[in-house]
Amino acid sequence: DTAVSQTPKYLVTQMGNDKSIKCEQNLGHDTMYWYKQDSKKFLKIMFSYNNKELIINETVPNRFSPKSPDKAHLNLHINSLELGDSAVYFCASSPYRQSYNEQFFGPGTRLTVL
Amino acid sequence: AQTVTQSQPEMSVQEAETVTLSCTYDTSESDYYLFWYKQPPSRQMILVIRQEAYKQQNATENRFSVNFQKAAKSFSLKISDSQLGDAAMYFCAYRTDSGGGADGLTFGKGTHLIIQP
Repeated sequence: DTAVSQTPKYLVTQMGNDKSIKCEQNLGHDTMYWYKQDSKKFLKIMFSYNNKELIINETVPNRFSPKSPDKAHLNLHINSLELGDSAVYFCASSPYRQSYNEQFFGPGTRLTVL
Repeated sequence: AQTVTQSQPEMSVQEAETVTLSCTYDTSESDYYLFWYKQPPSRQMILVIRQEAYKQQNATENRFSVNFQKAAKSFSLKISDSQLGDAAMYFCAYRTDSGGGADGLTFGKGTHLIIQP
């Protein structure tokens, strides 16, 4: 059983399109995250959600909108895709209020914008 | 804001040898957590080892150990008896213990570890 899953694993699309990435975790965690890994492999937090509530919203363009229908799911919708959005997007989860716990990462979604 | 610095973009080691990856961080907090994650070519992020800042004892996980120097804000990873499967990107990461509980990880830029057979 996959602990944190993401769909799709690969996404190729044209500039200006709107796309979504889905994330699901079956670990019973309360907190979920989105990270972006750029072409130089640098990982940066984008959002965190706790029990469907937005906690962290780093300086990410408004074109990115996370949505958490329930605490096991955190989706990322991206409007008007730009070339600079090409990256690998990771979803992660962890128990709430237990900072010493690791964050469990999904397999990543490689987004390529042409 | 916290920052994490990994000064070695790439390291190479012979199989069965020992290698140390360096990491320094900057923070004004006294309570926090440090992690080393491994990212092999499959791109899956895998936790290697973690350290709680309030613990003076260095964490150890089999062939992996850390040298945590809180005053120097240094958190290096030592890999003993390097194996081919250790080849990967290694990321040092910091997480605050501000009590919010939903804090993201602050990552360094990573060190690409090459294992020479």
